[in-house]
Amino acid sequence: GAVVSQHPSWVICKSGTSVKIECRSLDFQATTMFWYRQFPKQSLMLMATSNEGSKATYEQGVEKDKFLINHASLTLSTLTVTSAHPEDSSFYICSARPPTYEQYFGPGTRLTVT
Amino acid sequence: SQKIEQNSEALNIQEGKTATLTCNYTNYSPAYLQWYRQDPGRGPVFLLLIRENEKEKRKERLKVTFDTTLKQSLFHITASQPADSATYLCALEGYSTLTFGKGTMLLVSP
Repeated sequence: GAVVSQHPSWVICKSGTSVKIECRSLDFQATTMFWYRQFPKQSLMLMATSNEGSKATYEQGVEKDKFLINHASLTLSTLTVTSAHPEDSSFYICSARPPTYEQYFGPGTRLTVT
Repeated sequence: SQKIEQNSEALNIQEGKTATLTCNYTNYSPAYLQWYRQDPGRGPVFLLLIRENEKEKRKERLKVTFDTTLKQSLFHITASQPADSATYLCALEGYSTLTFGKGTMLLVSP
């Protein structure tokens, strides 16, 4: 149980375009979903927390107009990187949290902006 | 500011030995602490959660201790196997979000 999927697993896009990443909890309802970014050999950095049906809470330094988060249902959250630039290239990972304390992570999405 | 420290150097051990990883933190009073495993190019996988009022937690070959006085958690893998090779992350809960350490890479050689 507690499986989280992410799609796509990797994407290459041109600078200036937008990319949408989907995160789904497959076998449980997630009251809260989180989006992280991880650069090579660095720790996971929390970007935002989203609760179903409400606006996401962004961490300091994360541009909410650039990283659009939608949490439309208890099993789906999306992250859209708008007007992507090469510095946005990173490993984006979502996690979903059932009504307990642990988080279940998706497999991650490798974004490369050329 | 809040800080989580994990040994950045990889830990190399031989198969069958016990691996011990350390997580130290400062300026934190976490209600609980979690350990995750991360393989290259993959998302972290939840392993164990230990609460502030628990000294020790076990799950199969894994054991975690939590010393809130020392502000330290130790993560042990007994009878280690090459398949245990991965990066292990500790994470502390604060205001419903997790903050992760950078992780320690464990390499178990046959």
